[in-house]
Amino acid sequence: QKEVEQNSGPLSVPEGAIASLNCTYSDRVSQSFFWYRQYSGKSPELIMSIYSNGDKEDGRFTAQLNKASQYVSLLIRDSQPSDSATYLCAVKTRGNNRLAFGKGNQVVVIP
Amino acid sequence: DADVTQTPRNRITKTGKRIMLECSQTKGHDRMYWYRQDPGLGLQLIYYSFDVKDINKGEISDGYSVSRQAQAKFSLSLESAIPNQTALYFCATSDSVHTDTQYFGPGTRLTVL
Repeated sequence: QKEVEQNSGPLSVPEGAIASLNCTYSDRVSQSFFWYRQYSGKSPELIMSIYSNGDKEDGRFTAQLNKASQYVSLLIRDSQPSDSATYLCAVKTRGNNRLAFGKGNQVVVIP
Repeated sequence: DADVTQTPRNRITKTGKRIMLECSQTKGHDRMYWYRQDPGLGLQLIYYSFDVKDINKGEISDGYSVSRQAQAKFSLSLESAIPNQTALYFCATSDSVHTDTQYFGPGTRLTVL
C-alpha cells in the first residue's frame, strides 16, 4: 500500500465551480498534512497545511482532514483558470523526518 | 532574488558521465533536501541533511551522492549517469522550527542520453 494515494484522474471544472481533490494515507500516526500546487515545469508551492481534524480555510481554498478515515481533501471554490495545475498531497508522520508525496491530481479549469 | 536557487537549470549529458547539481539558499534554513520527479509520479526523496555534519539517505539514494559544503549549500552528484536518471530534480529547504514546511527551488531538468 502506498503511503499517500491520489487516485483521481485529471479533473476538469468550469470556471466558477468547486474543484474537489482527495488524498488517502496509510500511516495512522501521521501528524502533518500539506497541499502543494505545481504548475507545469515549475516547482511545488505550498498552498495549505492542516494538522487537526476538521476544516481549514484560506481564501478560496479549504482543506479537510479526517484522521479516523485517513483522508485529507482540498476544495477550491470559485475556480479560476489560474488554478489549472497539478495538486500534490504530502504527509509527514510523527518521528519521520520526511514528507511522503502523492502522485498529484491535475486540475483544468475551463473558461 | 530567489531564496532557493539551483544550477544548472537544464543539463544534457551522456551515459557514464559524472554530473553535479548545486543548490544554494538564502533563507537561513538548516535543513536541505534533494528530490527527483518523474512524469506522472510524485516527488521521491533522494537525500536530506539536517545540518552540515548530518547526511541521510532517502527513498532512492542508489546511484547518487551528496555534499553539504555549508549551511547554505547542498550538492547532488551522479557519479556515473544512466538514462533512467533522466528526471526533474528539486532542492528544498526547511528550518528546524517549522520543520514541516518545505520550500522548493526552481528545479533542474536533467537528460541522460
